[in-house]
Amino acid sequence: KNEVEQSPQNLTAQEGEFITINCSYSVGISALHWLQQHPGGGIVSLFMLSSGKKKHGRLIATINIQEKHSSLHITASHPRDSAVYICAVHKNNDMRFGAGTRLTVKP
Amino acid sequence: GAGVSQSPSNKVTEKGKDVELRCDPISGHTALYWYRQSLGQGLEFLIYFQGNSAPDKSGLPSDRFSAERTGESVSTLTIQRTQQEDSAVYLCASSLGRDGNYGYTFGSGTRLTVV
Repeated sequence: KNEVEQSPQNLTAQEGEFITINCSYSVGISALHWLQQHPGGGIVSLFMLSSGKKKHGRLIATINIQEKHSSLHITASHPRDSAVYICAVHKNNDMRFGAGTRLTVKP
Repeated sequence: GAGVSQSPSNKVTEKGKDVELRCDPISGHTALYWYRQSLGQGLEFLIYFQGNSAPDKSGLPSDRFSAERTGESVSTLTIQRTQQEDSAVYLCASSLGRDGNYGYTFGSGTRLTVV
């Protein structure tokens, strides 16, 4: 079993829909990151969380340390949000990555 | 610089040759990470540098892989006697500190193809 599990693996949505991507982990962590990888491979760090909730524009990330679970929400989704979203947990010196969620937002 | 710079952006090499990949982190970022992403696979940790401390090499897949970083500056990842399974995108990231409690900035990666 992977230490970091994401769901769903693939997600197709219509423009304007509310999106939720989930991440569960099984190890003790010092921080959790949500990353966005666009076609072409560039990776952008969206959020770094150690507790609670963060919001940036239409993106919201939450984490429940007790339940070892985090969610990434996208409100009013747009085709430009289409990308792979990766959950990564920071354990000791390295990060463990989820397999990613491929999001496609159709106009 | 303003971001994490990696070079070359693409490298095609023959099996058995050595390659050297370069990462120039954001100035002042003490932590530097190397990852790789094989085709269709997730990201895989390779090595971590923090300041002048001994690097964490626990992710290096074999002794053909090595990396160096002088102080808090440029890092080079060297792959000796490349094999086809080494083909991947090699990503570098830097951060202000350790433990993941600072944001990461990723470079755009080096796409390595071993033929």
